[in-house]
Formats: sequence, structure tokens, C-alpha cells
Amino acid sequence: DAGVTQSPTHLIKTRGQQVTLRCSPKSGHDTVSWYQQALGQGPQFIFQYYEEEERQRGNFPDRFSGHQFPNYSSELNVNALLLGDSALYLCASSLYTDTQYFGPGTRLTVL
Amino acid sequence: AQSVTQPDIHITVSEGASLELRCNYSYGATPYLFWYVQSPGQGLQLLLKYFSGDTLVQGIKGFEAEFKRSQSSFNLRKPSVHWSDAAEYFCAVANSGYALNFGKGTSLLVTP
Repeated sequence: DAGVTQSPTHLIKTRGQQVTLRCSPKSGHDTVSWYQQALGQGPQFIFQYYEEEERQRGNFPDRFSGHQFPNYSSELNVNALLLGDSALYLCASSLYTDTQYFGPGTRLTVL
Repeated sequence: AQSVTQPDIHITVSEGASLELRCNYSYGATPYLFWYVQSPGQGLQLLLKYFSGDTLVQGIKGFEAEFKRSQSSFNLRKPSVHWSDAAEYFCAVANSGYALNFGKGTSLLVTP
């Protein structure tokens, strides 16, 4: 049973560019949440998707957007990248509001 | 607003010694509480969770945690630490299982 998978593993971008991160949920899960973890900090909630709709959003600017596909996979898009967007981006999946299980993350470096 | 405090940034214990990691939460209703562990450069692995019922919950890898409503705490314990337990530990609280609100984490170092 495959767990949560994320791609790519690492990514390097320059300021002002746009980036797309991808997440495939654990088999049987229908909800995807995204978190940003800056170095030395706990993860911060970005948003959660259920039935292809954004169900809840954290305190992140509109530069952060997402999408969920009919197969429950999800994308996180970040526009106009800033140096401060450098972080580990974690995807978590769950069955509706049940326990969230995390993927290995995508390390984004903005130069 | 809900919040989580992990008072200890770093903790060092000897292998074989007991461990207790502290977590205090602020939340109006009965919270959903979690402990996750993160090895360097990795994602988060769920150790245990509390939703309701018995206030002492058992998790994986020999960990347990006790929910104390009167103290707004959910401390993680292990009777005998192994070198492989060295990692970052995060306490989290959620309302109805939606967004997880994490503490800043406690880094555990295990010495021989």
C-alpha cells in the first residue's frame, strides 16, 4: 500500500518565478492538506482540499494556490517566488477529517 | 485561537533512560491531539493521537501520551529511549480534524 508521495524531491528556483508541487494521496484517502515548514520551525497550514474544493485556508497570501483532481491528487502553486518561500513543503492526506498522514516533502530553495 | 507550546527546544537523554516531552495547548473545546516525529530531511510520521475516551494513549515505537484537561497538556513519554529515537518531535492540535496547528518542535538527542 503506497503512502503519500510527493514530487519533485528537491527544487531550485529564482525570485519571481513560479513553481508547481505535486502530491498523490494514500490509497483510499480523499482529502489533501498542504503545509510549509521553514527551517527550524513547525509546519504551518497552507490549505486543505476536499472534493476538488478548497475547504480551509491558513494565513498565506494569494500567491499560494492549489488544485485537487478527480483522482484526489493535488498541486500546490506558488507565484512570484520570494526568498522567504524557501522551505520544506509537506503534503498530508486523510479520509475526510480523519488522521492526516504525511509525505516526505519537497524541498524548495529560492535564490 | 488554538495554539500549541512545546517548552523545550532541545532535550538530551542517555540511551536507556526515560523520556518525557512536554506539550501544552490552548483550545476552547475538546481538542484532537497528535504527536508526530520527523527524522532529518524527512516527512512527519504519526506516533499517536487522542480524540476522546481513555486519556492515556499508546502509540508506535513504545511511546505513550497522557491527556490532562486540567493542565491543558498532552505530554509524550517513553520508558527507555533508544539511539534511533533521536529526531524532532512535534505536538499538534486540530479542530474537527481540519488544519493541524503544530508546536515549534523539540529536538531529541540521545547519548551513548
